[in-house]
Amino acid sequence: DTGVSQDPRHKITKRGQNVTFRCDPISEHNRLYWYRQTLGQGPEFLTYFQNEAQLEKSRLLSDRFSAERPKGSFSTLEIQRTEQGDSAMYLCASSSRTSGRAFNEQFFGPGTRLTVL
Amino acid sequence: DAKTTQPPSMDCAEGRAANLPCNHSTISGNEYVYWYRQIHSQGPQYIIHGLKNNETNEMASLIITEDRKSSTLILPHATLRDTAVYYCTYNSGYALNFGKGTSLLVTP
Repeated sequence: DTGVSQDPRHKITKRGQNVTFRCDPISEHNRLYWYRQTLGQGPEFLTYFQNEAQLEKSRLLSDRFSAERPKGSFSTLEIQRTEQGDSAMYLCASSSRTSGRAFNEQFFGPGTRLTVL
Repeated sequence: DAKTTQPPSMDCAEGRAANLPCNHSTISGNEYVYWYRQIHSQGPQYIIHGLKNNETNEMASLIITEDRKSSTLILPHATLRDTAVYYCTYNSGYALNFGKGTSLLVTP
């Protein structure tokens, strides 16, 4: 257990529905990341927050995806109008304020597995 | 984008050393190399990191070549619980860019 928690652990939804995932990072960590992982692939970066500010977004983050971190603590990732291609594991990670562009040890949560029917 | 290359799979006998190679020829001079592993259906677990010097911790050793274009993760005495997918990675901005990793199977 890294101290990063995610909820729910599993989500099954029908195509076209909206889903929201939550991530609670390690409490003293000010940086938070979302990744997506499909079967047989490594995690792919989606977006990054420093405190409440969203500072980087991947090209993978389409208009149907939105992420927030309103008080600089927990974060939510919402997918609107889900598609079957959204089926994946959604991973959250956090790192401390001592991290930077060069050294950036990230601690990952257990992930939320999304299945879109 | 940062790019790493690893063999897709490797086998290792229990109790023997597992040596997992990684090529990261595009790494910049001040970027750390990180190794993570992922056991089925769990999030990636941090193993070790390094910049220029070889590193060792309770889990593994990391050997980085002098030109920093490749590294090797060493599990000195592999156990069945070390069966996992192993990723080497480094930063691109604040993102960690993972390849497909190496699936290590430790056999009895």
